[in-house]
Amino acid sequence: QSALTQPASVSGSPGQSITISCTGTSSDVGGHDLVSWYQQHPGKAPQLMIYEVTKRPSGVSNRFSGSKSANTASLTISGLQAEDEADYYCCSYAGSSTMVFGGGTKLTVL
Amino acid sequence: QVQLQESGPGLVKPSDTLSLTCGVSNYSVSSSNWWGWIRQPPGKGLEWIGYIYYSGRTLYSGTTYYNPSLKSRVTMSVDTSKNQFSLKLSSVTAMDTAVYYCARKDPSGWYFDYWGQGTLVTVSS
Repeated sequence: QSALTQPASVSGSPGQSITISCTGTSSDVGGHDLVSWYQQHPGKAPQLMIYEVTKRPSGVSNRFSGSKSANTASLTISGLQAEDEADYYCCSYAGSSTMVFGGGTKLTVL
Repeated sequence: QVQLQESGPGLVKPSDTLSLTCGVSNYSVSSSNWWGWIRQPPGKGLEWIGYIYYSGRTLYSGTTYYNPSLKSRVTMSVDTSKNQFSLKLSSVTAMDTAVYYCARKDPSGWYFDYWGQGTLVTVSS
């Protein structure tokens, strides 16, 4: 069970859109529409932002959206705001009732 | 809403067993649910440790699923009398130093919807 691959960092200016990728295999990301995304501010617990590839929990801004193509899932944040600066982690069901996280991506708002 | 709170020693000696509990508020651990643990070494990413399924109504209650890389050292359990669940990690080394989070896996999905605030456990002599 290997960690999903995410870029170490991405950046964007306020108002712009950014996309964070999450690459796995056909056993995890590609095999199930069960990818979730978490936002983590420094010193805080992760917070669920997207689940089942595209769904947003109640209270999460519609500026956050998710998608998937083959073995790669993506998180897009539109209308970037300073408060979006955080670490982002993808997570996928990996079969046999197991889960696997990505290595995390640091988002910097310039 | 569901609230989770980790507790346990912040310092554990190498080769000892790390023991943490997660107290659950505003929700019964006896309800059909999966209670999990995730850890995060300092400055690094999240790692799924495992979860335990608990229900007072099915034969599958108490079933555990662990990260294969940790499976030989991990034990999870539920204490319904205290409305909490626990993690034990044996034979710890410095590599097990991390912030440990407890979380609830959504009953019908494969994602964690509620998290504790996390507790730092340092393995050192």
